Amino acid sequence: DAGVIQSPRHEVTEMGQEVTLRCKPISGHNSLFWYRQTMMRGLELLIYFNNNVPIDDSGMPEDRFSAKMPNASFSTLKIQPSEPRDSAVYFCASSFREEKLFFGSGTQLSVL
Amino acid sequence: QKEVEQDPGPLSVPEGAIVSLNCTYSNSAFQYFMWYRQYSRKGPELLMYTYSSGNKEDGRFTAQVDKSSKYISLFIRDSQPSDSATYLCAMSGRNGNNRLAFGKGNQVVVIP
Repeated sequence: DAGVIQSPRHEVTEMGQEVTLRCKPISGHNSLFWYRQTMMRGLELLIYFNNNVPIDDSGMPEDRFSAKMPNASFSTLKIQPSEPRDSAVYFCASSFREEKLFFGSGTQLSVL
Repeated sequence: QKEVEQDPGPLSVPEGAIVSLNCTYSNSAFQYFMWYRQYSRKGPELLMYTYSSGNKEDGRFTAQVDKSSKYISLFIRDSQPSDSATYLCAMSGRNGNNRLAFGKGNQVVVIP
């Protein structure tokens, strides 16, 4: 199994631009999570899906952030417009029911 | 007060030493306690998983949970250079992975 696949690995963009992060969860997993990691705040849950349905998006910082999961094998996290304070590592993770979480390698986002 | 407190200070130890890490928490509803290991430029991976109070041992790793003191620990015996990583504690209530609260992580460096 290839694990959770995220793309791109690195993204550098200018303030105001739209950013789209992509995630392919492990086949058969029915829960998908988007996390953000910074030195100051650590690892924060942004949103999670269960069976492709968003269950809890209370961690999404503001309306500039949106996430979709059109099918069981793909999810996107979009930031529009991006701001320098969005710079962080964004992780996608998946799990089967309540079992262990498997993380992708993350997307390092830098907003200049 | 944050739900989970983990002193993020880096820790350097000589090879073969015992590494001791700990976290405190404030939410008495937490029942599931985990330790994740995160190598540089990688996503966290589950290292230890404990339910409620007690000890759990897995090879050189021991996890301890003291719910009365709201305190969890991870011990690494006979530390190896390959143990150099950031270790994050995580915990949740009855919903398991859906609402994991993470500590900020401890960077551990094992010096050969």
